[in-house]
Amino acid sequence: NAGVTQTPKFQVLKTGQSMTLQCAQDMNHNSMYWYRQDPGMGLRLIYYSASEGTTDKGEVPNGYNVSRLNKREFSLRLESAAPSQTSVYFCASRQSGHTSLPYEQYFGPGTRLTVT
Amino acid sequence: KQEVTQIPAALSVPEGENLVLNCSFTDSAIYNLQWFRQDPGKGLTSLLLIQSSQREQTSGRLNASLDKSSGRSTLYIAASQPGDSATYLCAIRSGGYNKLIFGAGTRLAVHP
Repeated sequence: NAGVTQTPKFQVLKTGQSMTLQCAQDMNHNSMYWYRQDPGMGLRLIYYSASEGTTDKGEVPNGYNVSRLNKREFSLRLESAAPSQTSVYFCASRQSGHTSLPYEQYFGPGTRLTVT
Repeated sequence: KQEVTQIPAALSVPEGENLVLNCSFTDSAIYNLQWFRQDPGKGLTSLLLIQSSQREQTSGRLNASLDKSSGRSTLYIAASQPGDSATYLCAIRSGGYNKLIFGAGTRLAVHP
């Protein structure tokens, strides 16, 4: 059981280049999330997908797009990378259903992105 | 807007000490609170989750408490070990759809 996997682990981009970060989970979870983590700050939500076929903006969506390809996969795309997008990106997933149930979020190992 | 603060930002203790990490939040209307551990260069591992109706949760040497009325949670680590060295993050599920709001974390170093 691999849990949440992310590729690539590391990436260096030049300003203006584009790339897609991949995330997959094998726990049959409905909800998936993309966060970024910057030094001295907590994780901030970029986008999330409550279920297959739906996506919504989080706290810091500007400069990003997402695709929920199927129930397993949720990708994050940077169309024109900027130095401000240098960060560590985490994907997470969660079972969902009744909102009062305390299902935990499970996190991938992260992608370390540097934009020069 | 919900804000989550963790104090202290960093902590260094000798092995064997009992210690307390603090997490405070501004809006008491929460669904639950989750404590995570993050090792350098790694992802997050969930340690404990406390529902809004609960006061505390325990797992081994870890005990997390929740006081919604005062907007506070504490993570108590008993008999600390060098292997406990990591960054500890608390996160609140508050409003929205299953979204977590994170504190900046407490970086813990336990030295032999």
